[in-house]
Amino acid sequence: GAVVSQHPSRVICKSGTSVKIECRSLDFQATTMFWYRQFPKQSLMLMATSNEGSKATYEQGVEKDKFLINHASLTLSTLTVTSAHPEDSSFYICSARDRGGWNQPQHFGDGTRLSIL
Amino acid sequence: AQTVTQSQPEMSVQEAETVTLSCTYDTSENNYYLFWYKQPPSRQMILVIRQEAYKQQNATENRFSVNFQKAAKSFSLKISDSQLGDTAMYFCAILNTNAGKSTFGDGTTLTVKP
Repeated sequence: GAVVSQHPSRVICKSGTSVKIECRSLDFQATTMFWYRQFPKQSLMLMATSNEGSKATYEQGVEKDKFLINHASLTLSTLTVTSAHPEDSSFYICSARDRGGWNQPQHFGDGTRLSIL
Repeated sequence: AQTVTQSQPEMSVQEAETVTLSCTYDTSENNYYLFWYKQPPSRQMILVIRQEAYKQQNATENRFSVNFQKAAKSFSLKISDSQLGDTAMYFCAILNTNAGKSTFGDGTTLTVKP
């Protein structure tokens, strides 16, 4: 089955640090990747949609200068949390859709637990 | 805009019993897909089952089946012969053709008891 690798799985860092999270589709090409934020026992909140070769589309209320997204290839998208602060601590999940079609299910990474001290 | 509502935050079921998780949705689209995803304690989300809105026949996948009522905008998940490994958070989601992105419900935490 389709595999999405997300790295790192856990990050603990000081306030003011920038953190980069990678999302790779290992055995399929993904023209579209999604970045979500999830709080404990809550649903996934879509932050942005990442399209290969073009600018990401951010959801309302998500600061694009705070959460930088780069989708440089059909298998890699990165999310950089710039100058992270404690309120950015959360679980971040990426997912990718096979380029086979918009109606394909999303394949999810394992998530990244970000803790800002 | 589209919304997904899961009215049961938590549920429990005895091992080998059957449980049904409810999901209702609202959309102005005619063409859409519905999904159930499972997020075990290990946290990776995986697809459980999917339903095309234009198909009347309910989707089934081994012990998992759905009751899709399009007019009522209802999409419940039935898990038969529940197993301990079914313990997880379950999310209902809708994907429409125009937006190309999914909207998720708040999730139902299911605990299977031995």
